Amino acid sequence: SQTIHQWPATLVQPVGSPLSLECTVEGTSNPNLYWYRQAAGRGLQLLFYSVGIGQISSEVPQNLSASRPQDRQFILSSKKLLLSDSGFYLCAWSRGELRLRRGANVLTFGAGSRLTVL
Amino acid sequence: AQKITQTQPGMFVQEKEAVTLDCTYDTSDQSYGLFWYKQPSSGEMIFLIYQGSYDEQNATEGRYSLNFQKARKSANLVISASQLGDSAMYFCAMREGSTGRRALTFGSGTRLQVQP
Repeated sequence: SQTIHQWPATLVQPVGSPLSLECTVEGTSNPNLYWYRQAAGRGLQLLFYSVGIGQISSEVPQNLSASRPQDRQFILSSKKLLLSDSGFYLCAWSRGELRLRRGANVLTFGAGSRLTVL
Repeated sequence: AQKITQTQPGMFVQEKEAVTLDCTYDTSDQSYGLFWYKQPSSGEMIFLIYQGSYDEQNATEGRYSLNFQKARKSANLVISASQLGDSAMYFCAMREGSTGRRALTFGSGTRLQVQP
C-alpha cells in the first residue's frame, strides 16, 4: 500500500530564516506530487505540483520554491521567510495518469506541517 | 470567479439526523471530477467521495452520498445518520479535465458540528 510522509510536523521560525519541508511517498512510482497551503480557517491553495523529476509547476508567485530531486521526494523551500508564510502546509500525491472516471486518481494527503513565522 | 463555492461557513446538525453541505462549481469543461474531503481538527485531509461529470448515477460511499445536479452545477454532500465524529471541516474540490491538469481546486469549506 502507498504511504505519504511529511515532516516536520510543527515548525516555528523567525522572519528571514530559511525553510525546508520534505515529503516522501512510498509504494508507488512516478506519482504526481503537490504542495498546498492552508491559512487559518481557510481553504487550500495550490502552491506547486510536479508530474516528474525536475518538473515543477508554480501556481502562485511568492518567495517559496519547490524541488523534486527524486521520483518520490518533494521539497518545499524558502530562502527568507515572511510573516505571511505562516500556515498549514500539506503535501499530496496522486497516480501519474489522469483519470476522470470512477476510481479517478484521488489526491492523498500527508499529515501536514504547521509553520509559524514570528 | 470562484471555481468552487461553498456558501455555508458553518452548519449544525443533531446526532442521527441527515445534513446537506452545499457546493457549486464553475467550469466550461465537459469532462471534470468533483471531490469531497473531510478535515478533522487534527488537520489531515480525508477523501470521502468522488463524482465524475460523465457518471450518470450519484455517487455513494457508506453514509455519504453526492447529490449531483449537472445543469445547476452543484455537487452537494449528504451525510446520513450524523455521528459526533463527523464534526469537522468539509471541502468540495474539482479537477478540470481539458488541460490535463492534475491538481484540485478547493472551496473555502464548511465547518460541521454534530450535536448530541
